[in-house]
Amino acid sequence: QKEVEQNSGPLSVPEGAIASLNCTYSDRGSQSFFWYRQYSGKSPELIMFIYSNGDKEDGRFTAQLNKASQYVSLLIRDSQPSDSATYLCAVTPDSNYQLIWGAGTKLIIKP
Amino acid sequence: GAGVSQSPSNKVTEKGKDVELRCDPISGHTALYWYRQSLGQGLEFLIYFQGNSAPDKSGLPSDRFSAERTGGSVSTLTIQRTQQEDSAVYLCASSPQPGETEAFFGQGTRLTVV
Repeated sequence: QKEVEQNSGPLSVPEGAIASLNCTYSDRGSQSFFWYRQYSGKSPELIMFIYSNGDKEDGRFTAQLNKASQYVSLLIRDSQPSDSATYLCAVTPDSNYQLIWGAGTKLIIKP
Repeated sequence: GAGVSQSPSNKVTEKGKDVELRCDPISGHTALYWYRQSLGQGLEFLIYFQGNSAPDKSGLPSDRFSAERTGGSVSTLTIQRTQQEDSAVYLCASSPQPGETEAFFGQGTRLTVV
């Protein structure tokens, strides 16, 4: 059974602080890793993807991948109230397989 | 089209009726996914299409649920003899290739069974 685990939260972070979201996956051969953001009542939208070990930065967002420990994280710097949403982690066990989704972490940024 | 299009956006149906939900993926996308999301819950995988074939139907909750995809494009999800527990938002997503690239979501169909 291929699984992706996330803490459901809610995770409450003060405005301006760093929000850290974590995701673990069970299949050691997983190749592609995605972070999606979902606002209440809206569809998920892609924030970042990462394929290689290490960090990938895009603006205020940094994705971190550690394949040895089988976790991927998302850091949001200078958190804004508009970052309040549910963040979904998705993993592809191999290149010809459908996405496996975590249940999501609800993030609340307090002004 | 410019994005993934789902119709209808909202559907209210009586218990026991059949419903059809439609997904029009982004042109050229070979992979198509159907998910269900209940209020405050995560994505529940239903079925995945690669072209017109469905390598993984494991998420369909019961034999009342079926889906097809024709011409490698439009997909329909059919729910027969709807039950109240079928009420949810049904999301469709497509991607150019399965799993390697971003999945683009439609706006969803909110199904309410009364």
